[in-house]
Amino acid sequence: AQRVTQPEKLLSVFKGAPVELKCNYSYSGSPELFWYVQYSRQRLQLLLRHISRESIKGFTADLNKGETSFHLKKPFAQEEDSAMYYCALSEVKNYGGSQGNLIFGKGTKLSVKP
Amino acid sequence: DVKVTQSSRYLVKRTGEKVFLECVQDMDHENMFWYRQDPGLGLRLIYFSYDVKMKEKGDIPEGYSVSREKKERFSLILESASTNQTSMYLCASGGQGATYEQYFGPGTRLTVT
Repeated sequence: AQRVTQPEKLLSVFKGAPVELKCNYSYSGSPELFWYVQYSRQRLQLLLRHISRESIKGFTADLNKGETSFHLKKPFAQEEDSAMYYCALSEVKNYGGSQGNLIFGKGTKLSVKP
Repeated sequence: DVKVTQSSRYLVKRTGEKVFLECVQDMDHENMFWYRQDPGLGLRLIYFSYDVKMKEKGDIPEGYSVSREKKERFSLILESASTNQTSMYLCASGGQGATYEQYFGPGTRLTVT
């Protein structure tokens, strides 16, 4: 079954420290993976997707198919990075055209201390 | 700039009441989704719709129904609200394809007493 696992509910680091939020997935096909973020009192929004291979707000994520992982990394955490982070996998279904439903992990709350 | 709006930010209802949550998007997206968000459980898909009048069950459809009469509007209905439906409800919309981004509404915090 398709599944996304985020093993840490809470991750606490000091400002300037490196951050790694872990994400592992289970998917039978070729995965499309995303990281979404929710800052306090804001709506959930896309942070980055693996297909874009981009760095957003200093965050990067590399898809490792051998380890079925898509960990989110940032070399130097900032206080404004404190938020809830969700890893998500797009599950492709066909309803008169290709559709992708997102399967979310349970989320990791990142707290960056001053 | 994509906008997904939800009819209420906060809602308090009594057990047994029929509850309607409305969601509107302005980007002409084919797909719309309803999730509930609970601490420790993440986001769980309730229902989604890939076209007008089309709907598919998600992971937790029990106790819910949906309606999509117009492309821009997707409604979630709690036929008879129960206390275990107290939650944050998020609506999202997105285009076709596996790599599309989902755009989320601000959420409705529903409390059933």
